[in-house]
Amino acid sequence: ETGVTQTPRHLVMGMTNKKSLKCEQHLGHNAMYWYKQSAKKPLELMFVYSLEERVENNSVPSRFSPECPNSSHLFLHLHTLQPEDSALYLCASSQEVSGSYNEQFFGPGTRLTVL
Amino acid sequence: GQNIDQPTEMTATEGAIVQINCTYQTSGFNGLFWYQQHAGEAPTFLSYNVLDGLEEKGRFSSFLSRSKGYSYLLLKELQMKDSASYLCAVLDSNYQLIWGAGTKLIIKP
Repeated sequence: ETGVTQTPRHLVMGMTNKKSLKCEQHLGHNAMYWYKQSAKKPLELMFVYSLEERVENNSVPSRFSPECPNSSHLFLHLHTLQPEDSALYLCASSQEVSGSYNEQFFGPGTRLTVL
Repeated sequence: GQNIDQPTEMTATEGAIVQINCTYQTSGFNGLFWYQQHAGEAPTFLSYNVLDGLEEKGRFSSFLSRSKGYSYLLLKELQMKDSASYLCAVLDSNYQLIWGAGTKLIIKP
């Protein structure tokens, strides 16, 4: 138990569906992250939030839309996804966005399959 | 460009020792992390090195050489539960984590 929870754990959706991934951290951290993890590839940073403000968007397609209503919750809204978007989506949090020893705590991930 | 290299897969025997290497080329350096990730689970923090040398934590040790852009994770007295992927990540000059693709470690009885 890392203090970061994600729901759902598994999601299967069609290309025309709209769904949302939810992340919650119970650690009192100020920074939250969305990552995409594909098999045998490095973790890809998608979005970074610091105190509910987006500070990083690594050229992610607009079919992924993040939302951070407060420092404990993070959402990833999905619409008109492609099969190549199938992956494990990981949420993480850290005390701050920058600074040394910035250990990130990860949730268990949502395994997404796009048909 | 920024790059982290680590072997894709390694196999070792229960009770033995294994060393997982990581080499990096990044724009700046503010520390190197090792994470463990069991299949279907969250990555969990193992170690952090920012100065050259060896950091020991129980059965796990992590080594860093900044001049060589090199680190390794050493696992001793291997147990079956150590079967997992091991992720190397470097904090660059912008304090962004650059990740390797991970090394899948298979432990055999």
